[in-house]
Amino acid sequence: GAVVSQHPSRVICKSGTSVKIECRSLDFQATTMFWYRQFPKQSLMLMATSNEGSKATYEQGVEKDKFLINHASLTLSTLTVTSAHPEDSSFYICSAPQRAGTDTQYFGPGTRLTVL
Amino acid sequence: AQSVSQHNHHVILSEAASLELGCNYSYGGTVNLFWYVQYPGQHLQLLLKYFSGDPLVKGIKGFEAEFIKSKFSFNLRKPSVQWSDTAEYFCAVAKAGNTGKLIFGQGTTLQVKP
Repeated sequence: GAVVSQHPSRVICKSGTSVKIECRSLDFQATTMFWYRQFPKQSLMLMATSNEGSKATYEQGVEKDKFLINHASLTLSTLTVTSAHPEDSSFYICSAPQRAGTDTQYFGPGTRLTVL
Repeated sequence: AQSVSQHNHHVILSEAASLELGCNYSYGGTVNLFWYVQYPGQHLQLLLKYFSGDPLVKGIKGFEAEFIKSKFSFNLRKPSVQWSDTAEYFCAVAKAGNTGKLIFGQGTTLQVKP
């Protein structure tokens, strides 16, 4: 199956700093990628849709100025958590469809963010 | 708004026992349905999916799920579980044709005792 990677796998940062998380499709191109957030013992919540060559679309309640998304190429989307606070600590997961228009998403391994 | 409810949060079974995990969704239109599994330390993997056709869907590793439209349900089953099935299971729903935007259930932790 298709492979999606994320980097870093875990990051610890101080409150007020910014953190960038990368999501890469390793063996396919993805014009669209998706970012999810997972709180401990809870489900995944869709945050935003990352679109190559255009602005990301955010789900209701997600602050676009706090969670900056850039889809720089057909294999890379980045999520930057700006001015991070402890409440931003979470598990961030990206996904991408192997082929545009198909319905099967391939998920990255996730990034554990801890904000002190 | 769409929502997904998984009835069992934590299930403990012995090997060879049968498994059924409940999933109900709330959405009035046409949906696509998924079950994902997350093994310890690994990323989410697709177990099976339903788009249309036969409501009984067979997936990998002996899992199957049945879509019952009248009950808005998509329960996951396996006749005989193995220790290696220990994992977190997520039911997910998406509006047909827009399946990148998945709505996930809360997840069910399955622990299989050897």
